[in-house]
Amino acid sequence: LAKTTQPISMDSYEGQEVNITCSHNNIATNDYITWYQQFPSQGPRFIIQGYKTKVTNEVASLFIPADRKSSTLSLPRVSLSDTAVYYCLVGDNNNDMRFGAGTRLTVKP
Amino acid sequence: GAVVSQHPSWVICKSGTSVKIECRSLDFQATTMFWYRQFPKQSLMLMATSNEGSKATYEQGVEKDKFLINHASLTLSTLTVTSAHPEDSSFYICSARQGATNSPLHFGNGTRLTVT
Repeated sequence: LAKTTQPISMDSYEGQEVNITCSHNNIATNDYITWYQQFPSQGPRFIIQGYKTKVTNEVASLFIPADRKSSTLSLPRVSLSDTAVYYCLVGDNNNDMRFGAGTRLTVKP
Repeated sequence: GAVVSQHPSWVICKSGTSVKIECRSLDFQATTMFWYRQFPKQSLMLMATSNEGSKATYEQGVEKDKFLINHASLTLSTLTVTSAHPEDSSFYICSARQGATNSPLHFGNGTRLTVT
């Protein structure tokens, strides 16, 4: 069974903020939440990781509520080059690195 | 930053032959590496977890005798697709973790395998 649930696809326009939510109801105490970006015919690329509350880096923010059963990746002012598939991954101590279906984001001009 | 190099980036082979794909962590040591397969428009499917110095752990449904994994050093893991068939054509991606269990994965750029 997939550990995470995300919307299959999202559309946005250049300059808008995009929020992608991931559900992970069975997250374990020691699990971190990590988001990756993948372009066609490339390996995924790390975007951001968090455990609780809010994390921000130069490309994105990650919001995690107190119950940690979901997380939201926020991409500020997207551009056409942000068109990609975004995956959230919830890691556990057993090295269970299975990906969910991901969210295909399409940014339009 | 941590770099994972995967080679070759693409390969075409004839049905019945074997193909080896290399995954190297260039600037860090990786006790554990992961191998994925990805079909067009689909997510990454975990094939196996490769542990340095021990046997790989395969996911259910992945044939260990067909997909041979060797993790002989802390910087190199190899995946050999034996007796390849057209249905093995796919995009194969490796990843490695630098540091603790919860540290992010670093991915190679993938290998496009086409079996004719």
